[in-house]
Order: sequence, then C-alpha cells, then structure tokens
Amino acid sequence: AAGVIQSPRHLIKEKRETATLKCYPIPRHDTVYWYQQGPGQDPQFLISFYEKMQSDKGSIPDRFSAQQFSDYHSELNMSSLELGDSALYFCATAGRGYGYTFGSGTRLTVV
Amino acid sequence: RKEVEQDPGPFNVPEGATVAFNCTYSNSASQSFFWYRQDCRKEPKLLMSVYSSGNEDGRFTAQLNRASQYISLLIRDSKLSDSATYLCVVNILFTSGTYKYIFGTGTRLKVLA
Repeated sequence: AAGVIQSPRHLIKEKRETATLKCYPIPRHDTVYWYQQGPGQDPQFLISFYEKMQSDKGSIPDRFSAQQFSDYHSELNMSSLELGDSALYFCATAGRGYGYTFGSGTRLTVV
Repeated sequence: RKEVEQDPGPFNVPEGATVAFNCTYSNSASQSFFWYRQDCRKEPKLLMSVYSSGNEDGRFTAQLNRASQYISLLIRDSKLSDSATYLCVVNILFTSGTYKYIFGTGTRLKVLA
C-alpha cells in the first residue's frame, strides 16, 4: 500500500542556506503535520494543514514556512539555516478519524 | 500541564515480563486514541488504535478509561524486539470540524536479556 513519501531522505546544507522538504500524503488524506525531532528528543510539532489551509502552528521558527498544495502535498521551506536546525523532520498525514501515518523522515544536517 | 502526558521511563524489564504504560490526556473533546512505536532514528509507526471497549492484538492490550482520561498499553511476555519508545497520540475533534493529533512525549522501554 502507498505510504507517506518524504523527499529527500537526507540533506546536507551549510549555515545560512535554504532547504525545502517535501511530503506526499497517502491518497485521500487531507491533513498534513510537520514535526522536528532532535537527537534523543520526542517529535516537536511545527505546523499543520487541513484542506490546504494552515490549521495549527507549533514551535515553528519564523525562518521556516510551509504550505499545502492543491494535490495535498506539502513543502516545508527553511531559510537561514542554523546548526541547531539539524534534525529529523517528519511529516504525517491523516484522514478524519484515523491515526496518522508518518513518512520516513528527512534527515537534515547543517554544517 | 501538557495535554497528553506519559512517563518518559526508561522502563527496563527482563525478557518475558509484563509491562504497562499509561498516558493521560486533559482535553475531554478527545475522540480517538492510538499507540505508536518508534524505533531509534526511525519514524513512529502505528501499533494499535485504542477502542472504548479495549482491544488486544497478540501480546499487546490497549485500554481506554474515559472517566479518568487515560489510556494504557500492556505488553505481555516482553521480547527484546519490543525495546522502543511508545508514543501515545490523542485525536481532538473541534466543533469547527477540524481536528488535531497530539503526541505524548513517549515512554522508553528496554527489554533486557
């Protein structure tokens, strides 16, 4: 069965560069959530979208932005990258009433 | 107070032991409940949904107590491969029709040989 697809799987960027992470949901999933997970930490909620509109905002820095497109895929844009942005970034997608499914994540390393 | 709380552990148990985790939630509008398992450096994966009547899947049993607002996960006959972090997730449905999922911080389990 199709799962949540995230790309790229790994990304290495230098400080002050920009990065774009992509998330493709399971068909008919209308909600996307983005999480950041640092080493040894639980996932921290960044932002979510429902039906292409931002539905909730967590601890997303102002340097980051995200959107959900008409095909329900989502992109997380990260600018002025800092060393502390190095983490595993998960997206999860959901349909009403069902547990959400995570993508395999994008491992971002800022050097 | 966090909306969803778990004891972070770690719970260190010998192989074959029975171990239980609880997760408390504070929002009475919580609709659906789930347990996820996360292995180190991997994405969380759905372990089981939690139904009002309780449900069992092999060695795993999940219970929901709406009155006291907690869910539990019981693992019998622990295996080394059960070592992971167990995340409780609560789905809250708002009157606007939107919903959101809230994570607990996870409970780390180590099964020892």
